Amino acid sequence: GDSVTQTEGQVALSEEDFLTIHCNYSASGYPTLFWYVQYPGEGPQLLFRASRDKEKGSSRGFEATYDKGTTSFHLRKASVQESDSAVYYCALSPDSNYQLIWGSGTKLIIKP
Amino acid sequence: DPKIIQKPKYLVAVTGSEKILICEQYLGHNAMYWYRQSAKKPLEFMFSYSYQKLMDNQTASSRFQPQSSKKNHLDLQITALKPDDSATYFCASSQESQANTEVFFGKGTRLTVV
Repeated sequence: GDSVTQTEGQVALSEEDFLTIHCNYSASGYPTLFWYVQYPGEGPQLLFRASRDKEKGSSRGFEATYDKGTTSFHLRKASVQESDSAVYYCALSPDSNYQLIWGSGTKLIIKP
Repeated sequence: DPKIIQKPKYLVAVTGSEKILICEQYLGHNAMYWYRQSAKKPLEFMFSYSYQKLMDNQTASSRFQPQSSKKNHLDLQITALKPDDSATYFCASSQESQANTEVFFGKGTRLTVV
């Protein structure tokens, strides 16, 4: 079945460090790929999405490029800030239905 | 102002009891969902409704029953509660139940079953 695999557990960085959270997917056709962010005490909220090969999604300094060849949608940010501390979820929506399939989430911790 | 209202925010229940989690959305959306988040499964899809009709049910147990009295309401009734049901339950909605639609989440109801 369709699935999403992302960087497990947590990532600890210092402010201004470069961030990469890996996301790989398994699905047929052209699923829509998403990054959601969840801050403490909140529900997840959409960061951005991409629907076709080579499409770049971006928001708030974060970006990811849809790569069908490597089935990846890695999240990157050049310089993280303390306010970026949150849990990040990669998700996909198969092109045949509406259900979101979620990765396990990656907690980003920014060390002071 | 929050556009998806979930009540209550926190809920403590006794094993074997029944509770109803309330959800109302004011986004004018036609699709609504329930998700569950716990330490065991970070984010787990439970149900989806479109125009008040059940579209998908990924919950194995019949103890979980969604109830839609109005287009913008989707409550979740849980019967015979077990400690394993302890989790945060998120209500969500989207304009339509289509593949690339953005899903908006409420702040969740944290349920603890003792």
